[in-house]
Amino acid sequence: GNSVTQMEGPVTLSEEAFLTINCTYTATGYPSLFWYVQYPGEGLQLLLKATKADDKGSNKGFEATYRKETTSFHLEKGSVQVSDSAVYFCALSETSGSRLTFGEGTQLTVNP
Amino acid sequence: EAQVTQNPRYLITVTGKKLTVTCSQNMNHEYMSWYRQDPGLGLRQIYYSMNVEVTDKGDVPEGYKVSRKEKRNFPLILESPSPNQTSLYFCASKGAGGTHEQYFGPGTRLTVT
Repeated sequence: GNSVTQMEGPVTLSEEAFLTINCTYTATGYPSLFWYVQYPGEGLQLLLKATKADDKGSNKGFEATYRKETTSFHLEKGSVQVSDSAVYFCALSETSGSRLTFGEGTQLTVNP
Repeated sequence: EAQVTQNPRYLITVTGKKLTVTCSQNMNHEYMSWYRQDPGLGLRQIYYSMNVEVTDKGDVPEGYKVSRKEKRNFPLILESPSPNQTSLYFCASKGAGGTHEQYFGPGTRLTVT
């Protein structure tokens, strides 16, 4: 079956540091890949997505590239802010779109 | 405003007392789903519905029921809750078509004692 593996957290960074959160996946077919963000006390919000190999999703300074050869979708940001503190989830969607498979989530804390 | 709403947001109950968590969306989405979030496990799908009167099991359906009598509503029913169902629950919806983006509700934190 499908699975998503994220780097273990929590991750603590200083403001303006570079962020990478690793995500690898196992899937049959050609899934779509997503990063969702969950701010404290809130539901999940879509951060970015990529629907085919070599696509780059980007939003709010975050980027991730769909790498089929390494089955990866790593999240990066060049300069994090305190307001980026949240839990980040990598996820994939089957071709049919009926199910999202999530990674475990990575807690990010950014200190001033 | 396009949104998914859930009620209640917080619920403390006792083992065996039936409860229902409501979910409603105003985006005319065909697809709706329930997830539970547990530490170290991410989100796991409980049930989903592709349209009215069409529901199917997700990864962890045991102990839960759902119904889809109207397009906008997708309630989650726990007929006899147990402590291992203490969790954070999210409802989500998605339109038809290839975008596959799901919109999530704010969550319901359930504690079963």
